[in-house]
Amino acid sequence: DAKTTQPNSMESNEEEPVHLPCNHSTISGTDYIHWYRQLPSQGPEYVIHGLTSNVNNRMASLAIAEDRKSSTLILHRATLRDAAVYYCIRIPASALIFGKGTTLSVSS
Amino acid sequence: EPEVTQTPSHQVTQMGQEVILRCVPISNHLYFYWYRQILGQKVEFLVSFYNNEISEKSEIFDDQFSVERPDGSNFTLKIRSTKLEDSAMYFCASKLDSGSNQPQHFGDGTRLSIL
Repeated sequence: DAKTTQPNSMESNEEEPVHLPCNHSTISGTDYIHWYRQLPSQGPEYVIHGLTSNVNNRMASLAIAEDRKSSTLILHRATLRDAAVYYCIRIPASALIFGKGTTLSVSS
Repeated sequence: EPEVTQTPSHQVTQMGQEVILRCVPISNHLYFYWYRQILGQKVEFLVSFYNNEISEKSEIFDDQFSVERPDGSNFTLKIRSTKLEDSAMYFCASKLDSGSNQPQHFGDGTRLSIL
């Protein structure tokens, strides 16, 4: 049980921002939120993680709600290469439990 | 940037045969994992390995599966007697330490096809 909820799919245009939501209403105080993505025919790839504060890295930004029951992965300018399945995962333990994720399509 | 490498990229095996999938994790990582992904389905956790022992395994990881770190660099997954339903992508991952804030780094997988 992934214990996170994401939309099945989203669409974006190239060079536009994308906001990918994730619901984790049963999250506990010590669970990190990690985001991974899986490009076609590749293994999952780490994107970003956070606990309470918003986070930025070279790939994306992560906005975490104040009550921590939801988070949003932000791709500031989508490119065709960002078309992938995006997974939001709670980390209470070592193993990653993947859900179905959000399939992001990017159009030129 | 260091990466996890997996070989072979594609393995075709007759049902009932033994198969060994190989992985070279990132060199200073201490935690190692195997996952599988049946075509069109979710990525599923199989097993985690630390300090030369299995630290966690899923229900999928039954007696037909075993893992080993035979030397300081390789991490292997063995399936003793393959079944048709073992056909899947198998991903190896490694992590620096036990912290929940540490990301797992994945290889590009081995596609296992059982005939």
